[in-house]
Amino acid sequence: QKEVEQNSGPLSVPEGAIASLNCTYSDRVSQSFFWYRQYSGKSPELIMSIYSNGDKEDGRFTAQLNKASQYVSLLIRDSQPSDSATYLCAVIWDYGGATNKLIFGTGTLLAVQP
Amino acid sequence: DTGVSQDPRHKITKRGQNVTFRCDPISEHNRLYWYRQTLGQGPEFLTYFQNEAQLEKSRLLSDRFSAERPKGSFSTLEIQRTEQGDSAMYLCASSLGSGGMNMETQYFGPGTRLLVL
Repeated sequence: QKEVEQNSGPLSVPEGAIASLNCTYSDRVSQSFFWYRQYSGKSPELIMSIYSNGDKEDGRFTAQLNKASQYVSLLIRDSQPSDSATYLCAVIWDYGGATNKLIFGTGTLLAVQP
Repeated sequence: DTGVSQDPRHKITKRGQNVTFRCDPISEHNRLYWYRQTLGQGPEFLTYFQNEAQLEKSRLLSDRFSAERPKGSFSTLEIQRTEQGDSAMYLCASSLGSGGMNMETQYFGPGTRLLVL
């Protein structure tokens, strides 16, 4: 079983709608969660980080974390064509090791239709 | 530009050749990571430095791969005797971390795209 799972998409939404991106993960302790946006041919760009259960809002973006159900989601309100990209979910496990390496899902491709 | 920089941005090489990539982290960031990303996949961890010490290497990093971070500043990733399966985007990320915190934010460079013919 993959440690971080995402639907590869594409997820197609009309301009102005809410895009909902989901990510599930294996049961580990003390996780930290991140959403990165990646445009085609470019490197990942951090959108949001979340560490505690509940919602975290930043502009048009809201991250939601539910550790009991082992999922983290990203909502994008008022979606714009410029939001069209691959959204990567990433997790840092607290496995007692020396590194805080990111474990990524395969990403969800979002397409916002004008 | 004070972000993470990588050089070169693109590299085409023939199978069997050696290649070296460079990463300059954000100034004063003590942690540096290398990841590899292939088409349709998320980035996969390769190795990690805290200052000049290489603290972890992934099993993905075969004996043909070596990484250094002399003086705890820039880092190099060398691939010897390249194979076609090495073709990928090589990403460098840096962060400012202390102790065992796992809330650090990693900032990625633009990546080096390697094509092995």
